[in-house]
Amino acid sequence: DGGITQSPKYLFRKEGQNVTLSCEQNLNHDAMYWYRQDPGQGLRLIYYSQIVNDFQKGDIAEGYSVSREKKESFPLTVTSAQKNPTAFYLCASKTQGDADTQYFGPGTRLTVL
Amino acid sequence: GQNIDQPTEMTATEGAIVQINCTYQTSGFNGLFWYQQHAGEAPTFLSYNVLDGLEEKGRFSSFLSRSKGYSYLLLKELQMKDSASYLCAVMDSNYQLIWGAGTKLIIKP
Repeated sequence: DGGITQSPKYLFRKEGQNVTLSCEQNLNHDAMYWYRQDPGQGLRLIYYSQIVNDFQKGDIAEGYSVSREKKESFPLTVTSAQKNPTAFYLCASKTQGDADTQYFGPGTRLTVL
Repeated sequence: GQNIDQPTEMTATEGAIVQINCTYQTSGFNGLFWYQQHAGEAPTFLSYNVLDGLEEKGRFSSFLSRSKGYSYLLLKELQMKDSASYLCAVMDSNYQLIWGAGTKLIIKP
């Protein structure tokens, strides 16, 4: 089955620790995105990548880092510099067309204690 | 600045019709998307409008007026499974999605 997977579904970390969230897709999509979702707010873009070995900052990139070494994978690291890391993190992907639809993975709920 | 406005919450009765509105002010416009999101799950794509008018897809329809910066999602023959949040998103001049906060729809029997 083609799709986007994120793991784990739930993640708990202590304050001050870095944590990496996984995102894998087998849809052969070129572009991949990371969003953060907080209660009462719209999705906010953290980072995106339109091609392997290239990525751009979104609106709220501070305290996060990414890599895009393979087309299928776009991991997100939440560093200790991120002030409020507790949130629901969503990964999405789409084909190369500018206005193409983004499809989402199931999300990872990160709680920092 | 860029802004997407949707009602926070709406309530409707099973079997009825509900209209969820979305107004937007963005730097450029390359289409408007509606997504459905059940609690704790991923958003799933419902519709895309780039030209004015109504797009119908089964029980769901989406309307766009670019001159008014306005869209609505119409849900007919409501079912309990339609209880979810509905997200409006506009693609701006840079082809980035600007998201509304979502409308939580509660369906009552």
